[in-house]
Amino acid sequence: AQTVTQSQPEMSVQEAETVTLSCTYDTSENNYYLFWYKQPPSRQMILVIRQEAYKQQNATENRFSVNFQKAAKSFSLKISDSQLGDTAMYFCAFMTIYGNKLVFGAGTILRVKS
Amino acid sequence: GAGVSQSPRYKVAKRGQDVALRCDPISGHVSLFWYQQALGQGPEFLTYFQNEAQLDKSGLPSDRFFAERPEGSVSTLKIQRTQQEDSAVYLCASSLERIGGGSQETQYFGPGTRLLVL
Repeated sequence: AQTVTQSQPEMSVQEAETVTLSCTYDTSENNYYLFWYKQPPSRQMILVIRQEAYKQQNATENRFSVNFQKAAKSFSLKISDSQLGDTAMYFCAFMTIYGNKLVFGAGTILRVKS
Repeated sequence: GAGVSQSPRYKVAKRGQDVALRCDPISGHVSLFWYQQALGQGPEFLTYFQNEAQLDKSGLPSDRFFAERPEGSVSTLKIQRTQQEDSAVYLCASSLERIGGGSQETQYFGPGTRLLVL
């Protein structure tokens, strides 16, 4: 079974600075997908970024980028130029390439301070 | 079009009561998922539909939980004889299609139904 671990329950960052959220996972699969989802206090889960394991290039979406280290089974999220609206719970999630369900970590609460 | 919608947004039930939670997926989305999110935790998979077929119900915690999607669109999650441990947020998600042997499409989530069992 796959597991996802987020070792930082809470993080804080000053507005305009950069923060990195950690995620590690365990799987015996070679091909899979990794995701970061954001859940603001309103609770609607929003996709932030997605990475296919067979792609060596790290995914980037505007201020959000990942550091995908397949051998280490690590998938961290970097948020540059943090904004107050980035305050939310962030979840790392895993899905096998033939799977039909997301496996989530416990989440990291990120607070952006002005 | 509109995103995934869920109703009710909040539900308070007395222990032993039956509840029904509704999910309206994004129009045209073939796949539909239900997740349970306990307070302060990540969502956990409950069940998955492809059109009207329930292909995976391995995450349903007991036979008190039942889900259906009779016409391949709206889905209902029913919990019979609710218990206090059923208190959680129930999230519905949908995705566009299922390619090959698995869903490769991004799942889009609804706002959730917060269930409190007293």
